Amino acid sequence: AQSVAQPEDQVNVAEGNPLTVKCTYSVSGNPYLFWYVQYPNRGLQFLLKYITGDNLVKGSYGFEAEFNKSQTSFHLKKPSALVSDSALYFCAVRDISRSSNTGKLIFGQGTTLQVKP
Amino acid sequence: NAGVTQTPKFQVLKTGQSMTLQCAQDMNHEYMSWYRQDPGMGLRLIHYSVGAGITDQGEVPNGYNVSRSTTEDFPLRLLSAAPSQTSVYFCASRFWTDSDTQYFGPGTRLTVL
Repeated sequence: AQSVAQPEDQVNVAEGNPLTVKCTYSVSGNPYLFWYVQYPNRGLQFLLKYITGDNLVKGSYGFEAEFNKSQTSFHLKKPSALVSDSALYFCAVRDISRSSNTGKLIFGQGTTLQVKP
Repeated sequence: NAGVTQTPKFQVLKTGQSMTLQCAQDMNHEYMSWYRQDPGMGLRLIHYSVGAGITDQGEVPNGYNVSRSTTEDFPLRLLSAAPSQTSVYFCASRFWTDSDTQYFGPGTRLTVL
């Protein structure tokens, strides 16, 4: 069964410092991986995805994620954090267990990113 | 485009009451789904629909019904609310041919007393 894990409930970073939000996955076959962000009282917004190709994926708002097959990880990164990046971040994997293309996403439990001025 | 809209934003129910959470999208998306979000558990899929007249169960369907009579609307019904259904509910939609990018509504915060 496909699954994702986000080992940290919360990540605290000072503004201007680099940030990393961790995600590991477990899939059978090639993984389709995603990052979503949720700002307070809002729905989730798509940040970036990895389907195939370059292991470093660039997304919205200056975020990027590095796919590492040997470590089964897909960590979210940003070189210089902003206070406005403070939000809840979800890693997700596409559920490919069914024969039909339902495109269901399996989400991790979420990591709260707190960027302090 | 309004995107994905959900009503109401907040709702308090008593155990045993019924209600319908509304979801609508104006992007002509074939695929729509309902998730519930609980602390420490991420988002869990309740039901989904791949088009008008077609629905299927997700991972936590018990206690919820859905229907899809039009492309635009995908209401979620709680027939007899229970405290375990206290959660934040998100509706999402996407094109059938673009299974990678889902658009989420702003959510409905439901409390069952």
